Amino acid sequence: KQEVTQIPAALSVPEGENLVLNCSFTDSAIYNLQWFRQDPGKGLTSLLLIQSSQREQTSGRLNASLDKSSGRSTLYIAASQPGDSATYLCAAQGGSEKLVFGKGTKLTVNP
Amino acid sequence: AAGVIQSPRHLIKEKRETATLKCYPIPRHDTVYWYQQGPGQDPQFLISFYEKMQSDKGSIPDRFSAQQFSDYHSELNMSSLELGDSALYFCASSPWGLLAGRSNEQFFGPGTRLTVL
Repeated sequence: KQEVTQIPAALSVPEGENLVLNCSFTDSAIYNLQWFRQDPGKGLTSLLLIQSSQREQTSGRLNASLDKSSGRSTLYIAASQPGDSATYLCAAQGGSEKLVFGKGTKLTVNP
Repeated sequence: AAGVIQSPRHLIKEKRETATLKCYPIPRHDTVYWYQQGPGQDPQFLISFYEKMQSDKGSIPDRFSAQQFSDYHSELNMSSLELGDSALYFCASSPWGLLAGRSNEQFFGPGTRLTVL
């Protein structure tokens, strides 16, 4: 059974700082890994998807990497802004189609 | 760009009542997924459909049922509602499922917030 863990559970940083969010998964036989952003009480916004054959994906100030062999993914956010404050979720998709989510990292970027 | 549409956005029901949640996937997406997110919890997979057939099933209570229709929209029917069913219910769609031999990005709708009193 796939289990996804995210560390840290919460993170508070000053504006402008670069930061890394960590995601680990127990079953390395994944098809892809997807990072989401969720604002309080709102829906899930897909940020990046990394397929199993890829090592990283970039979108603007976001960079996500994937190391299947070690069961890890990281989301790097450059030059953080207060508008980046949200909960960030990673989710692994394996042999079945469902996404298995981590519990998220709650990020606060202070002006 | 068109997104996943869910209706209603908010729903308040009494215990033991029934509820129907609707999901309209992105055009040309033939796979639909349902997830439940309880307060302070991560989303949990309920059920998925590919080309109108159930493709996977997760921790969906027997009181719940779902189907995908010929126009690819999906409905989640919930009966004998309990207080613990209060949650945010997400629908997601993707262009094709693993049954078609590919993995794909899932796009989520805004969710339906169900409150059971």
